[in-house]
Amino acid sequence: RKEVEQDPGPFNVPEGATVAFNCTYSNSASQSFFWYRQDCRKEPKLLMSVYSSGNEDGRFTAQLNRASQYISLLIRDSKLSDSATYLCVVKPNNNDMRFGAGTRLTVKP
Amino acid sequence: NAGVTQTPKFRVLKTGQSMTLLCAQDMNHEYMYWYRQDPGMGLRLIHYSVGEGTTAKGEVPDGYNVSRLKKQNFLLGLESAAPSQTSVYFCASSLSANDRAGANVLTFGAGSRLTVL
Repeated sequence: RKEVEQDPGPFNVPEGATVAFNCTYSNSASQSFFWYRQDCRKEPKLLMSVYSSGNEDGRFTAQLNRASQYISLLIRDSKLSDSATYLCVVKPNNNDMRFGAGTRLTVKP
Repeated sequence: NAGVTQTPKFRVLKTGQSMTLLCAQDMNHEYMYWYRQDPGMGLRLIHYSVGEGTTAKGEVPDGYNVSRLKKQNFLLGLESAAPSQTSVYFCASSLSANDRAGANVLTFGAGSRLTVL
């Protein structure tokens, strides 16, 4: 079993749609969680950190469920510019980050 | 402010050749990392460094060596390239591994695409 698992997609949604991505992780001792965004042939960039209480940044909402070892990302009112691959990232110990394989999103007009 | 710079951006090697990828950061970050990204696999950590003069193995270190002689530079070496090392390599850095105040957020370079024939 992979340490971090994501549905690879692709998710194809119309502009204005709400879309949700899920991620599960295997190491129950993990302490930090993130969502990164990666555009085609570009480097990953931080989208948002995920806090225990859940957090929101504009149209993006991240949730963490430690009991189920599950992280989610909700995107409301999708824009064309949201088209990218979304990477779930988990920090299992002090010196390492483990990446999911990513979920690809395409937002269509 | 350049952030993280990787060179070269592209390289084609023959099996058995050696090469070095250079990563430079100008953010005074303590931690530096080398990842490889393959289709369907996600980014996998090769080696990392928690400070000048230190290196440590990551998830997939075999076939690679690293050095961190200066705080701002982290070199990744392939002594004898193999086709299995065809990949996109990303260097990243972070201020520290501290979970507070975003110190552990990774800043990535633009990537180096390596093909081994």
